[in-house]
Amino acid sequence: AQSVAQPEDQVNVAEGNPLTVKCTYSVSGNPYLFWYVQYPNRGLQFLLKYITGDNLVKGSYGFEAEFNKSQTSFHLKKPSALVSDSALYFCAVRDVGNTGKLIFGQGTTLQVKP
Amino acid sequence: DVKVTQSSRYLVKRTGEKVFLECVQDMDHENMFWYRQDPGLGLRLIYFSYDVKMKEKGDIPEGYSVSREKKERFSLILESASTNQTSMYLCASSRDPEKLFFGSGTQLSVL
Repeated sequence: AQSVAQPEDQVNVAEGNPLTVKCTYSVSGNPYLFWYVQYPNRGLQFLLKYITGDNLVKGSYGFEAEFNKSQTSFHLKKPSALVSDSALYFCAVRDVGNTGKLIFGQGTTLQVKP
Repeated sequence: DVKVTQSSRYLVKRTGEKVFLECVQDMDHENMFWYRQDPGLGLRLIYFSYDVKMKEKGDIPEGYSVSREKKERFSLILESASTNQTSMYLCASSRDPEKLFFGSGTQLSVL
């Protein structure tokens, strides 16, 4: 069965520093991977996705994610964090065996301090 | 912009009540989903629908049912609310099953 794990409940970084939010996955076959973000009191928003092609995927708000097949990882990154990036981040994988529904990780809270 | 509207932001109900959560989308999307969000558990899929009058069980359908009589509206029904159904409920719609558009959520408290 497909699954995704986010090993950190919370990540703290200082504004201006690079950030990484980790995600590992388990799938049979080629993975379809996604990142979503939830700002306080708002619904989730799509950030980016990896289907095939270049291992470095660029998304909204300056975020990017690196697909690593050998490590089964899809870490979210940003070169320079902003306080406004503070939010709850979810990694997701597409369940290709069951009508394409998304399976979400447990979420990682990102705190960016001034 | 796609808009997914959930009828209530906060809802308080009593144990045993029948509860209706409504969701409307304005982009003619075929696919609609209901998730619940709990701290430490992420999002878990309750039900989804790929067409009018069509529904599929997700990972945690027990205690819930859904209705999709019109393409734009997807309702989640708690037949007899229980305290363990206290949660944040998120509705989503999509044309592409991979890019979901979410509503702002309904925080349901069952007392």
